Amino acid sequence: NAGVTQTPKFQVLKTGQSMTLQCAQDMNHEYMSWYRQDPGMGLRLIHYSVGAGITDQGEVPNGYNVSRSTTEDFPLRLLSAAPSQTSVYFCASSPRVVYNTGELFFGEGSRLTVL
Amino acid sequence: SQQGEEDPQALSIQEGENATMNCSYKTSINNLQWYRQNSGRGLVHLILIRSNEREKHSGRLRVTLDTSKKSSSLLITASRAADTASYFCATDAGQAGTALIFGKGTTLSVSS
Repeated sequence: NAGVTQTPKFQVLKTGQSMTLQCAQDMNHEYMSWYRQDPGMGLRLIHYSVGAGITDQGEVPNGYNVSRSTTEDFPLRLLSAAPSQTSVYFCASSPRVVYNTGELFFGEGSRLTVL
Repeated sequence: SQQGEEDPQALSIQEGENATMNCSYKTSINNLQWYRQNSGRGLVHLILIRSNEREKHSGRLRVTLDTSKKSSSLLITASRAADTASYFCATDAGQAGTALIFGKGTTLSVSS
């Protein structure tokens, strides 16, 4: 199993451009989520999904869209990139959703710079 | 807002010493988890402790949970240089079907 795969690993955008960060997992996990990590801020939740067709907002959802058409994929879309979205983005999945009794499996991250 | 806050923010020790880091949280929880992040990598799950448990062990790791004080501690015994990493606690804020909320982490440096 590959686990959680994120692409691209590095990306540079100009302000106003749009792009999609891809996340795929091959563990048949129902739960998937996106976090951003900034220096001194820890990880902050952007969006999450408890199953195909179901998504919800986290702590910092503005400027990002998600969809969950399949169990395996959970792409994160930046609609109009801003310098404040420069960050490292992590996708994570878990086999359980009830009371979060499962551990999160993380991808290796996507490093995004917005100029 | 952060649910969990780790303390200290940074910790430097020598190989062989024990490392203790603490986590405080604000609301009731169902479980608390600890993760490790090596530089430039994704987070890796270390241990999960449920709200009805007080202590849990995994190899050189010992986690305690005090729900009355809303706090947890992670003890790494006989530290090694390979333990150098950032350590995060994460909680579920007691709500079913919601996400894990992470603290800002403790950066541990173990020198040989």
